[in-house]
Amino acid sequence: SQQGEEDPQALSIQEGENATMNCSYKTSINNLQWYRQNSGRGLVHLILIRSNEREKHSGRLRVTLDTSKKSSSLLITASRAADTASYFCAANTNAGKSTFGDGTTLTVKP
Amino acid sequence: NAGVTQTPKFQVLKTGQSMTLQCAQDMNHEYMSWYRQDPGMGLRLIHYSVGAGITDQGEVPNGYNVSRSTTEDFPLRLLSAAPSQTSVYFCASSPMDPSGGQPQHFGDGTRLSIL
Repeated sequence: SQQGEEDPQALSIQEGENATMNCSYKTSINNLQWYRQNSGRGLVHLILIRSNEREKHSGRLRVTLDTSKKSSSLLITASRAADTASYFCAANTNAGKSTFGDGTTLTVKP
Repeated sequence: NAGVTQTPKFQVLKTGQSMTLQCAQDMNHEYMSWYRQDPGMGLRLIHYSVGAGITDQGEVPNGYNVSRSTTEDFPLRLLSAAPSQTSVYFCASSPMDPSGGQPQHFGDGTRLSIL
C-alpha cells in the first residue's frame, strides 16, 4: 500500500485564495518531499522537509511536518490559475526508496 | 541540459510482445528509478538503481527487467506485455537515493497501451 496518502483528492478554489492539502504516511521517514505535476508532464520537485524540521517556507509555499501524527501539509498562498496541477507527497525512508501518495488535484479558477 | 530523456513518448503493443523503454540522463546522477502511474493515482516504484551495475526491485517489479551498464542509461524491459501494464511510465534521476533529501528529476513519461 502507498506510504503517502493525500487529501483532499480534489480541490477547487478561486484565484487569490489559499490552498491546503494534506499527506499522511505510515512509517518513520528521513524526509518528505512535495512534487507538482502538470497535465501530461513529469513531476517537478517543490520543497523538502526533513524529519527533524517542523516547518519550511519557499516563496508562496509553506510545508509543515508532524512526525508524531505521521502527517504533512502543503499550503499554497495567494493561488494563481497557473497553480492548477496535481500535487504529490513522497515519503522517503532510509531504505532508499520514495513512496508517493495518490495526489491532490488542484483547480484554481481565474 | 536535456535532463532526463525518455523514449518513446507513446507506444501501443499487443499482448505478449516485448519492448524496451529507454531512459537517459545527462546530469551524472547515481540514482535512477522507474515508476508507473495509473489513472488518478500516484507513482509506484518498479525498479531502481543506486549506481552503474546495481539494481533492485521496487514495489511492483513483476513483468519488468532493468539493467544499469552505464551511469547515463537505465532501460526498462517489458518481457511479455499484458493489458495490466497499460500505464504511464516515468523515469527519474537524482544525485543520491531519496533518503538524503535530494530531489528527483523526472522525464515526461512514456504512455504505453497494451491491447
